[in-house]
Amino acid sequence: GAVVSQHPSWVICKSGTSVKIECRSLDFQATTMFWYRQFPKQSLMLMATSNEGSKATYEQGVEKDKFLINHASLTLSTLTVTSAHPEDSSFYICSAFGTFQETQYFGPGTRLLVL
Amino acid sequence: AQTVTQSQPEMSVQEAETVTLSCTYDTSESDYYLFWYKQPPSRQMILVIRQEAYKQQNATENRFSVNFQKAAKSFSLKISDSQLGDAAMYFCAYKQGEYGNKLVFGAGTILRVKS
Repeated sequence: GAVVSQHPSWVICKSGTSVKIECRSLDFQATTMFWYRQFPKQSLMLMATSNEGSKATYEQGVEKDKFLINHASLTLSTLTVTSAHPEDSSFYICSAFGTFQETQYFGPGTRLLVL
Repeated sequence: AQTVTQSQPEMSVQEAETVTLSCTYDTSESDYYLFWYKQPPSRQMILVIRQEAYKQQNATENRFSVNFQKAAKSFSLKISDSQLGDAAMYFCAYKQGEYGNKLVFGAGTILRVKS
């Protein structure tokens, strides 16, 4: 139980284009989902907290107009990187919060490469 | 603000031996949760073990156990009978109790398992 999927796992795009990443909780409902960014051999950096049916809460320093988050249902949150640039290349991870165990369960991550 | 410290950037263990990863945290809260997550080379974050602060008994999951010292604010992870598949980055994480669901992560410890 407590499986979270993330799609796509890999994406390569041209500079200036937008990329959408989906995060789904497959076997539980998640009122809250989180989006992280991770650089190699570093810890996870929280970008934003996504609550179903309301606006996302962004961490300090994260551009909300660049990283658009939508949490349209209890099982789906999306992150759209708008007008991507090479510096946006990174590993993006989502997680879904399971209230039943007060635990975040993580998706497998998305590697984004912007050329 | 809560902080989590992992003072061991890297650790090594011989296969079948036991290793302990250290974690300390700082909080003024009495109700919270502590976690160890494992991130293998695939970069999928996997929950290893969870500890509720109100529980005095140390959590165990098969070969994984914790030494939770609430007064000392210490939460170490012991891996017994280490296996090659245990090689990964291990993150200690803190979550505030009832009204919090964000995780505060430590910097991580890379565990190498020697055959």
